[in-house]
Amino acid sequence: DVKVTQSSRYLVKRTGEKVFLECVQDMDHENMFWYRQDPGLGLRLIYFSYDVKMKEKGDIPEGYSVSREKKERFSLILESASTNQTSMYLCASSLTRGRVGNEQYFGPGTRLTVT
Amino acid sequence: LAKTTQPISMDSYEGQEVNITCSHNNIATNDYITWYQQFPSQGPRFIIQGYKTKVTNEVASLFIPADRKSSTLSLPRVSLSDTAVYYCLVGDDSGNTPLVFGKGTRLSVIA
Repeated sequence: DVKVTQSSRYLVKRTGEKVFLECVQDMDHENMFWYRQDPGLGLRLIYFSYDVKMKEKGDIPEGYSVSREKKERFSLILESASTNQTSMYLCASSLTRGRVGNEQYFGPGTRLTVT
Repeated sequence: LAKTTQPISMDSYEGQEVNITCSHNNIATNDYITWYQQFPSQGPRFIIQGYKTKVTNEVASLFIPADRKSSTLSLPRVSLSDTAVYYCLVGDDSGNTPLVFGKGTRLSVIA
């Protein structure tokens, strides 16, 4: 079974702090994604990566950056956390760019609260 | 990207068949239709994917008419554990453009 793990299930940070959310997948997947999920808004794509050291902006990249130094690890960085970044953050991975790769495997999520 | 429209919520009694319809009027020739299921406090998980006609697996069936402008996810004999949010996504085969999750349909199964 594919396993996608996220570093924390719950996180509380203060406004202005730099926050790192880590995601690791164990199935040698090429693609990795970061989403945030808010009530009434569904899942929104923040950033994604098709390869090591490559990144693409999603729908809502403002206030976030990412890092992919190794194939299995994709980090989401909040440079200066703000209260409007309080949300559930979900990481996902998929195998390749093709149709088979469109099946995304999700981690359990990190519920981040910024106070 | 093809935009999808699906009902915000649905209710059903246990044991009934549930059909959730998704509209995707501007679906492209290379687009596939994929459905995900999300339980509370979990990430979404893949249910089924299809291109045309009918696809069936152990969890659900997916019906896609000839014009492909809509699709219907069918859940046979639902149970309380099928209470979840169901997302319809449309995306092309290349994978160059990531799938877009909308707001989904919240299905509530009642005893």
